[in-house]
Amino acid sequence: DVKVTQSSRYLVKRTGEKVFLECVQDMDHENMFWYRQDPGLGLRLIYFSYDVKMKEKGDIPEGYSVSREKKERFSLILESASTNQTSMYLCASSLGGRRETQYFGPGTRLLVL
Amino acid sequence: AQKITQTQPGMFVQEKEAVTLDCTYDTSDQSYGLFWYKQPSSGEMIFLIYQGSYDEQNATEGRYSLNFQKARKSANLVISASQLGDSAMYFCATYSGGGADGLTFGKGTHLIIQP
Repeated sequence: DVKVTQSSRYLVKRTGEKVFLECVQDMDHENMFWYRQDPGLGLRLIYFSYDVKMKEKGDIPEGYSVSREKKERFSLILESASTNQTSMYLCASSLGGRRETQYFGPGTRLLVL
Repeated sequence: AQKITQTQPGMFVQEKEAVTLDCTYDTSDQSYGLFWYKQPSSGEMIFLIYQGSYDEQNATEGRYSLNFQKARKSANLVISASQLGDSAMYFCATYSGGGADGLTFGKGTHLIIQP
């Protein structure tokens, strides 16, 4: 079974803090994704990565950056957290190639005060 | 841009009954795929079933099946013999298009199974 894990289920941070959300997958998937989920707006793609050290912007990259130093790990970074980044963050991974099924982690509920 | 429409914000269904969750899509791609995911209150997005646009048969996976009607651009999820554990949000999704690998999701349907 595909296993995608995220470092925290719940996180509370203060405005202006630098926040790291970690995602690890154990299925040797090439592709990894970060989404955020908000009521009324649904899931939106923030960033994705096809390979180590590769990254591509999704629909809403502003205020975020990512890092992929190892194939199994994809980090989402909030350089200076703001209250409008309070959300549910979901990481996903998929096999290499285009348009494979994405498998999601348990999500991180982030509250920025 | 691709669009997924789920017209049922919520549904109440009696345990052991079959349930159909509606999904219509709009895509500019000739080749596309439709996904269904389940999200329990715990938050994890669980992959249920996939239908490719050129698949000749409707997809099935255990109690889940997909009623795919290409001409109508619909891909409804059917859950047979519903169980209490089926209570969750259900999302229909497709590729975002333009060669991108992200998914476009519908707003979801909140399914509640009653004993």
